[in-house]
Amino acid sequence: DTAVSQTPKYLVTQMGNDKSIKCEQNLGHDTMYWYKQDSKKFLKIMFSYNNKELIINETVPNRFSPKSPDKAHLNLHINSLELGDSAVYFCASGSTGTSTQYFGPGTRLTVL
Amino acid sequence: GENVEQHPSTLSVQEGDSAVIKCTYSDSASNYFPWYKQELGKRPQLIIDIRSNVGEKKDQRIAVTLNKTAKHFSLHITETQPEDSAVYFCAASNNAGNMLTFGGGTRLMVKP
Repeated sequence: DTAVSQTPKYLVTQMGNDKSIKCEQNLGHDTMYWYKQDSKKFLKIMFSYNNKELIINETVPNRFSPKSPDKAHLNLHINSLELGDSAVYFCASGSTGTSTQYFGPGTRLTVL
Repeated sequence: GENVEQHPSTLSVQEGDSAVIKCTYSDSASNYFPWYKQELGKRPQLIIDIRSNVGEKKDQRIAVTLNKTAKHFSLHITETQPEDSAVYFCAASNNAGNMLTFGGGTRLMVKP
């Protein structure tokens, strides 16, 4: 009965590779988000999607491309991975107008 | 854009004592202020939130206060227990895309 789920939990890859992280929510929410948490624990919004449409893109490099096939899914594809992309990536979901967000378990990405 | 400052960055208390974490925000349009608790290796979990039409909210040992004029809000934990040890994040939102701007986090350590 996991509300917001992400796969994989851990991702270790070489610089220059392309990788994807998947996110799914079963809460019936219409808005989904991607956050990046760096080694100092700072949590920063990357993208926000509402009803499959991009609402927020916080100056994220275009190597990062979110894709929302439906309201319950928001996947993150990263091209040409760099060392600085190493972080924990959290997906979250919420409903329009409430601002309350629920986070997934996170994906720890390590770029070697 | 919104800027949220959080203090202190680390806080150590004795079990049974109270803990207070303070945040300030810059955008007077912000109207929603959640607090998240993140245990080591886990996801941020919503523990309490407050909206701008309320000055204080309490849930058992946790309370949050909001001063809209001064643009600051605080988390109060009474009768702290070792399981309260975690990183706590404040955040602010003005409903524009439901975007949350997070503070830098406070590492709370409760010593038994």
